[in-house]
Amino acid sequence: DAGVTQSPTHLIKTRGQHVTLRCSPISGHKSVSWYQQVLGQGPQFIFQYYEKEERGRGNFPDRFSARQFPNYSSELNVNALLLGDSALYLCASSLVQGLFDGNTIYFGEGSWLTVV
Amino acid sequence: AQSVTQLDSQVPVFEEAPVELRCNYSSSVSVYLFWYVQYPNQGLQLLLKYLSGSTLVKGINGFEAEFNKSQTSFHLRKPSVHISDTAEYFCAVSDPPGGAAGNKLTFGGGTRVLVKP
Repeated sequence: DAGVTQSPTHLIKTRGQHVTLRCSPISGHKSVSWYQQVLGQGPQFIFQYYEKEERGRGNFPDRFSARQFPNYSSELNVNALLLGDSALYLCASSLVQGLFDGNTIYFGEGSWLTVV
Repeated sequence: AQSVTQLDSQVPVFEEAPVELRCNYSSSVSVYLFWYVQYPNQGLQLLLKYLSGSTLVKGINGFEAEFNKSQTSFHLRKPSVHISDTAEYFCAVSDPPGGAAGNKLTFGGGTRVLVKP
């Protein structure tokens, strides 16, 4: 079975540009979360979506937005890119909302974004 | 607000020696605790988790962790490491169900383990 898949794996953008990152959850999973991992740091929570509704938002500016589609895949959009947005963006999926036994969160391999 | 502190940024260890990675958390409510491993150029893989019950939790690849509520700690241990355990390890905390945080995980800064032959 396919795990969490993300695309693209690597990309380079210029300051001020816009980027869209995509995530396909594990088949049957309805919850998707996004994390930003700056080099040398732990991942930071950006968004969580469940059943196509935003269920959680981290401390990120409005330049960051996301959505979840009817097939439960998700997009993360970042506008007006800054150098500090350079990071590994991780997508995670789980069956449902909530952290309990049997509802493990699985991470994808991430999308490396470099802003120059 | 919750926070997680991993006290060691790097831990060098010889093959077949034991290793302990320290994790302390700060939270005003009861929490769930996790350890994830990240191999080079890969995503995160769950090693183990504490939700409730026994404070000693066994995970994959021979790792175990002990939840200590009075010391707000969740240290990770392995009695004998292999070269393949070279990776970055992250401790994470989350509110239990019913909280507003949903599936949000708060991660520590990570501990890089380098296993030497």
